[in-house]
Amino acid sequence: QSVVTQPPSASGTPGQRVTMSCSGSRSNIGGNPVNWYQQVPGTAPKLLIYGDDQRPSGVPDRFSGSKSGSSASLAISGLQSGDEADFYCAAWDDSLNAWVFGGGTKLTV
Amino acid sequence: EVQLVESGGGLVQPGRSLRLSCVASGFTFDDYAMHWVRRAPGKGLEWVSGISWNSGSVGYADSVKGRITVSRDNVRNSLSLQLTSLRVEDTAFYYCARSSAALYHDPTTSLEWGQGTLVTVSS
Repeated sequence: QSVVTQPPSASGTPGQRVTMSCSGSRSNIGGNPVNWYQQVPGTAPKLLIYGDDQRPSGVPDRFSGSKSGSSASLAISGLQSGDEADFYCAAWDDSLNAWVFGGGTKLTV
Repeated sequence: EVQLVESGGGLVQPGRSLRLSCVASGFTFDDYAMHWVRRAPGKGLEWVSGISWNSGSVGYADSVKGRITVSRDNVRNSLSLQLTSLRVEDTAFYYCARSSAALYHDPTTSLEWGQGTLVTVSS
């Protein structure tokens, strides 16, 4: 059982906007930057958002991250079928002295 | 372009040991911390270990502590993982990942990933 909680699934239709949550505590999400990773089935994870809300070069601005307190969110607008993937939030945990990942949210388009 | 190529996966019996390797290219290896992350079938990502740029600090997940050794060779641009007393629950894809920082415990770190190697622990 991860110390960071994500809903197991999310869904939307093409063109819609979907958001997914990531809930932790002050020792991880609340106190440290949050990264989001996307893993398309059969491929390696890919960095989507770093530092709570920053996009690496090459990531479309349809993807956005935000954080409030010990909860973070990932929003995807203009959903495309190619966005189907598992999405993970991650942060350093000051109490565990370890990196922690959420359990992941499977997005269906 | 960052390239990370893992090797060493395969079928291993419970109780045995395995050694995974990761060869890096496309960046200055000894500028960055490195990590191992795994994903078991039907489960999510799990951080396994991190090692800082000069091997000065190494961290392990509780699930593997006492059974794991991670090391790096900054001359050969390689990272290795040795896991002993293998359990069925160690079955997973193991990913090598490059940090964006020099210290593995830097909270601002983000990861770039290799393609992974599959380890199956079964009799």
